Amino acid sequence: NAGVTQTPKFRVLKTGQSMTLLCAQDMNHEYMYWYRQDPGMGLRLIHYSVGEGTTAKGEVPDGYNVSRLKKQNFLLGLESAAPSQTSVYFCASSYGTGQGYNEQFFGPGTRLTVL
Amino acid sequence: AQSVSQHNHHVILSEAASLELGCNYSYGGTVNLFWYVQYPGQHLQLLLKYFSGDPLVKGIKGFEAEFIKSKFSFNLRKPSVQWSDTAEYFCAVRRASKIIFGSGTRLSIRP
Repeated sequence: NAGVTQTPKFRVLKTGQSMTLLCAQDMNHEYMYWYRQDPGMGLRLIHYSVGEGTTAKGEVPDGYNVSRLKKQNFLLGLESAAPSQTSVYFCASSYGTGQGYNEQFFGPGTRLTVL
Repeated sequence: AQSVSQHNHHVILSEAASLELGCNYSYGGTVNLFWYVQYPGQHLQLLLKYFSGDPLVKGIKGFEAEFIKSKFSFNLRKPSVQWSDTAEYFCAVRRASKIIFGSGTRLSIRP
């Protein structure tokens, strides 16, 4: 199993450009998450999904949109990139929230720079 | 506001020293608690987790954590650190569908 994969690994954007980050998991997990990691601020939850076709806002959702059209994929979109969105983005997935099942598995991250 | 606090931002220890990293959360009710580790250049990996039962939880690589409900704390400990423990450590709390992370503690080990 590949686990959780993210594409691309690196990207440089100009202010105002748009892009989509793709997260894929092959573990049949119900839950998927997008985080951003910034120095001194840890991981902050952007959006998450508790199943195919559902999404919900996390701590810092502004400027991002997500879609979960297929169970195995969770897309994060930036419609108009801003320098404040320069960060490392991590995707994670888990089976659910029951005991023993809500450990998150993380992808390798996407380093995004917005100039 | 509901939050997860890690008060130590950067800890520097010598090899063989004992380690304790603090984690406090402000959620009420039932929570699940986690410690993750991020080695340089790598993604997060689970060290240990607490769901219920024995409040002293043992994880991988000799780490353990103690859940003290009355103090809303879940501190991470290791009796003797090694250079290979150099990493960033994150405490996380699951409340309902969300898992919220602390800001992380960077651990540097002097050889």
